[in-house]
Amino acid sequence: GQNIDQPTEMTATEGAIVQINCTYQTSGFNGLFWYQQHAGEAPTFLSYNVLDGLEEKGRFSSFLSRSKGYSYLLLKELQMKDSASYLCVPMDSNYQLIWGAGTKLIIKP
Amino acid sequence: NAGVTQTPKFQVLKTGQSMTLQCAQDMNHEYMSWYRQDPGMGLRLIHYSVGAGITDQGEVPNGYNVSRSTTEDFPLRLLSAAPSQTSVYFCASSYSHSSSGANVLTFGAGSRLTVL
Repeated sequence: GQNIDQPTEMTATEGAIVQINCTYQTSGFNGLFWYQQHAGEAPTFLSYNVLDGLEEKGRFSSFLSRSKGYSYLLLKELQMKDSASYLCVPMDSNYQLIWGAGTKLIIKP
Repeated sequence: NAGVTQTPKFQVLKTGQSMTLQCAQDMNHEYMSWYRQDPGMGLRLIHYSVGAGITDQGEVPNGYNVSRSTTEDFPLRLLSAAPSQTSVYFCASSYSHSSSGANVLTFGAGSRLTVL
């Protein structure tokens, strides 16, 4: 079957760095997305990885290892507005997106 | 650009009633889709369309119908509402469905539906 494993909830301090890990199993692979979803709002796109390595975009970076079925999202200089759920979304060989419940990140002052 | 527009934002129905959730996008996206999101669960795909005149079922299609007569519009119809359909519904679109980097989804703001 296809599945995603992320921590349900994480807590971090404002100004710190946090890494949200994701392991996945899919039928084939066509890339992996990270989305951010604030409570009561729609998901918004953060990053896309299709090749191994690190993609950096401002305070956010995303890493992919296809051989390990592993990705992480790294958030630096945390701000209160980063309190949200972070969704790791791999895409299988049929370009279907596999959605899990995501990781709820709580930022404390 | 408005992006993806969903209406209504909130709706309360009685069991057995029917209704249509509207979705429109102005980005000339080929691919459109409907998801439902329930507490503690990931998004579940209801129906999707890869272009005008083409629709297909997703993971949880029962009780829902869709049509795609134009590129811009993709309404979701609840035929006979049931309490199990109480959920938040999101419409989403992307430029393409089968080109990896072009699959970035733009979501509407969501429609919160309660069925009594």
